[in-house]
Amino acid sequence: AQSVAQPEDQVNVAEGNPLTVKCTYSVSGNPYLFWYVQYPNRGLQFLLKYITGDNLVKGSYGFEAEFNKSQTSFHLKKPSALVSDSALYFCAVRDTGRGSTLGRLYFGRGTQLTVWP
Amino acid sequence: NAGVTQTPKFRVLKTGQSMTLLCAQDMNHEYMYWYRQDPGMGLRLIHYSVGEGTTAKGEVPDGYNVSRLKKQNFLLGLESAAPSQTSVYFCASQSGGQSSYNEQFFGPGTRLTVL
Repeated sequence: AQSVAQPEDQVNVAEGNPLTVKCTYSVSGNPYLFWYVQYPNRGLQFLLKYITGDNLVKGSYGFEAEFNKSQTSFHLKKPSALVSDSALYFCAVRDTGRGSTLGRLYFGRGTQLTVWP
Repeated sequence: NAGVTQTPKFRVLKTGQSMTLLCAQDMNHEYMYWYRQDPGMGLRLIHYSVGEGTTAKGEVPDGYNVSRLKKQNFLLGLESAAPSQTSVYFCASQSGGQSSYNEQFFGPGTRLTVL
């Protein structure tokens, strides 16, 4: 069965410090992996995705994510956090294996990132 | 280019009332989705559509119906609202086929309270 786990409900970091938001996944075939961000009272915004190729992908607002196939992980990172990065972050996976349900996305429960000044 | 829009933004219903949420996209996307977001639950798929005139059940379809009469619109209906349907509802659209690597685009959400 397809699933996504975000083991931390909350991540707190000081401005200027590096941040990591963790994500692990389970799929039957090859995964397409996505990160989204949600600011208060807004819809989800796409940050970045991994489809194939380089394990380190770069996205919007200085974020990047590292795909690790052996650990089935896709952690979101940023070298230097900003207060404005404070938001709810969602990891999602699309299963491309046989029997996958029409390319639907499976979302994690979300991680609340708080960056304090 | 408005992207994905949702109407209304807020609504309060009494138990047993009905309503329809409207989602519209101007990106000519084939795929459209309805999700609900509840605290600590992430996003759960209610129904989705892979093209005009087609719909399918997602993870939590009970109590909801959908229609996709036009490619750009995807309607979510609640026939008899229940307090358990108090949630934030998001619509999303996506281009491409079944195994597409394209991302989904989300609307701003509808906050629904059922008393």
